[in-house]
Amino acid sequence: QKEVEQDPGPLSVPEGAIVSLNCTYSNSAFQYFMWYRQYSRKGPELLMYTYSSGNKEDGRFTAQVDKSSKYISLFIRDSQPSDSATYLCAMSGPSGGSYIPTFGRGTSLIVHP
Amino acid sequence: KAGVTQTPRYLIKTRGQQVTLSCSPISGHRSVSWYQQTPGQGLQFLFEYFSETQRNKGNFPGRFSGRQFSNSRSEMNVSTLELGDSALYLCASSLESPGSGYTFGSGTRLTVV
Repeated sequence: QKEVEQDPGPLSVPEGAIVSLNCTYSNSAFQYFMWYRQYSRKGPELLMYTYSSGNKEDGRFTAQVDKSSKYISLFIRDSQPSDSATYLCAMSGPSGGSYIPTFGRGTSLIVHP
Repeated sequence: KAGVTQTPRYLIKTRGQQVTLSCSPISGHRSVSWYQQTPGQGLQFLFEYFSETQRNKGNFPGRFSGRQFSNSRSEMNVSTLELGDSALYLCASSLESPGSGYTFGSGTRLTVV
């Protein structure tokens, strides 16, 4: 079992839909939880990060962390075609004086007009 | 503010050769990490450098090595290239520790033939 599990999709939704992206993990030492967006031929771009449990909102994006269930989510409201990308979850805990993120495989999202 | 710069963007090499990839982090960022991204395995951590010292290392063979210079610029080297080394190699930087997220470069696409 991988440390971080993420459904690769693709997930196809109509414009304006609410999108739910999820990851599960097994390492209870993880403390930081992140979501990245990656467009084709580009590096990942940090969307949001959360420390420990709880919710965080930024515009149309909401991140949720449930440490008791080892489950994190990213919600995108009013999805747009420009949101079409691969979304990667990542999480980190203490390691050798640093916090090295472990990434999920990514979920491909397609928002069609 | 300039982002993370990786050179070259594309490389084609022959099996058995060696290759050196370069990364210039965001000014002021002292932590530089390298990842290998493939469709099959996703993002896999290679190593992290901080203040010219390797602080963390992933589970890759010794053919993969790196270094960091006093100006925080970093290079990674792969010797005796194998076909399976074909991948997108991503460099990422952060201020002190990547716990709360990285800034990634656009990557170097390496093809081994």
